Amino acid sequence: ILNVEQSPQSLHVQEGDSTNFTCSFPSSNFYALHWYRWETAKSPEALFVMTLNGDEKKKGRISATLNTKEGYSYLYIKGSQPEDSATYLCAFLYNAGNNRKLIWGLGTSLAVNP
Amino acid sequence: ETGVTQSPTHLIKTRGQQVTLRCSSQSGHNTVSWYQQALGQGPQFIFQYYREEENGRGNFPPRFSGLQFPNYSSELNVNALELDDSALYLCASSLSRGSGANVLTFGAGSRLTVL
Repeated sequence: ILNVEQSPQSLHVQEGDSTNFTCSFPSSNFYALHWYRWETAKSPEALFVMTLNGDEKKKGRISATLNTKEGYSYLYIKGSQPEDSATYLCAFLYNAGNNRKLIWGLGTSLAVNP
Repeated sequence: ETGVTQSPTHLIKTRGQQVTLRCSSQSGHNTVSWYQQALGQGPQFIFQYYREEENGRGNFPPRFSGLQFPNYSSELNVNALELDDSALYLCASSLSRGSGANVLTFGAGSRLTVL
């Protein structure tokens, strides 16, 4: 059974703090790793799609790294702001011949206190 | 460029009834996938449609079925509703079928409550 784990499940930080969370996934049959940001009452929004081992991507204060050999990705937020409060979801796309499916983690819920 | 729109946003059904949820994909996207998110769970893949044909299915029973139309909009149909079908149903569109590197554009979801 393929499983994607995200940790921590939730965290609360103060405005200005930097934070990071983890997405762990199977290291075999890797195709891509997706990160999404989901604010309450809004649609999930794509942050990054990462395909190569060692990939690092950045979008403003948010960045992500990828290690496909050991099966993990880190998401970093520098200088958290209240508007960063959301659930951050990762999804692992595995490649099994002609069948590719996204397996989702349960998300990390971030609350940034002003 | 329009995004993904879903309808209805909320609905209440009773056990045993049937429901149809609708999704209009983002302009230029030819692939639609559907997800179920139950309370406290991550999104679970239901199925994907590419050019009007089902192209991949998750672990959902046959009473979950779908359609994709020539304009790439899609429907999710659920027959014989059960209480456990209560969830948020998300539709996402993307461009192309094979490349999972393409990001998904999500709709806001349809919240289904089964009583």
